[in-house]
Amino acid sequence: DAGVTQSPTHLIKTRGQHVTLRCSPISGHKSVSWYQQVLGQGPQFIFQYYEKEERGRGNFPDRFSARQFPNYSSELNVNALLLGDSALYLCASSLGPGTVGEPQHFGDGTRLSIL
Amino acid sequence: QKEVEQNSGPLSVPEGAIASLNCTYSDRGSQSFFWYRQYSGKSPELIMSIYSNGDKEDGRFTAQLNKASQYVSLLIRDSQPSDSATYLCASTLMDTGRRALTFGSGTRLQVQP
Repeated sequence: DAGVTQSPTHLIKTRGQHVTLRCSPISGHKSVSWYQQVLGQGPQFIFQYYEKEERGRGNFPDRFSARQFPNYSSELNVNALLLGDSALYLCASSLGPGTVGEPQHFGDGTRLSIL
Repeated sequence: QKEVEQNSGPLSVPEGAIASLNCTYSDRGSQSFFWYRQYSGKSPELIMSIYSNGDKEDGRFTAQLNKASQYVSLLIRDSQPSDSATYLCASTLMDTGRRALTFGSGTRLQVQP
């Protein structure tokens, strides 16, 4: 079975541009979460979606938005890119948010570099 | 105070030894705990999850949870050079609508051949 797939793997943008990152969850998983990981730190939670509804949002500005589609895939959009947005963006999937101990499985990530 | 704290390391152990990785958390509402391994330039890979007090073993790995002390640990027996990586501790809160992971900054483990 395919794991979590993310595209693109690498992306280079300039300040002020916008970017769309994509994620397909593991088959059968209905929840997708997005995380940002800057060098030397642990991943920081951005969004969680379940059944196309936003279930949680981390401490990120409104420049960040996301959505989940009927097939449970998801997009993360970032507008007005800043140098500080350079990071590894990780997508994680799980069966759903309500199960104790339910793990999240990560994709390979999209490495975003802002020039 | 960070919600999940880990010593950044590096923790250096000889091949074949037991590596002990520790994590503390501040929110008593934390319910489930996860250990992820992350190789340089790669994404986190789930090793183990634990949500009941006590020990949970899986192969060479043992996770330990002590909710009274707000302490989680991961023991790696018979450490191998391939275990050299950053180990991330993560927790989720008890609220039912969301299971966002809160991560520590990770502990870098070096296993010396």
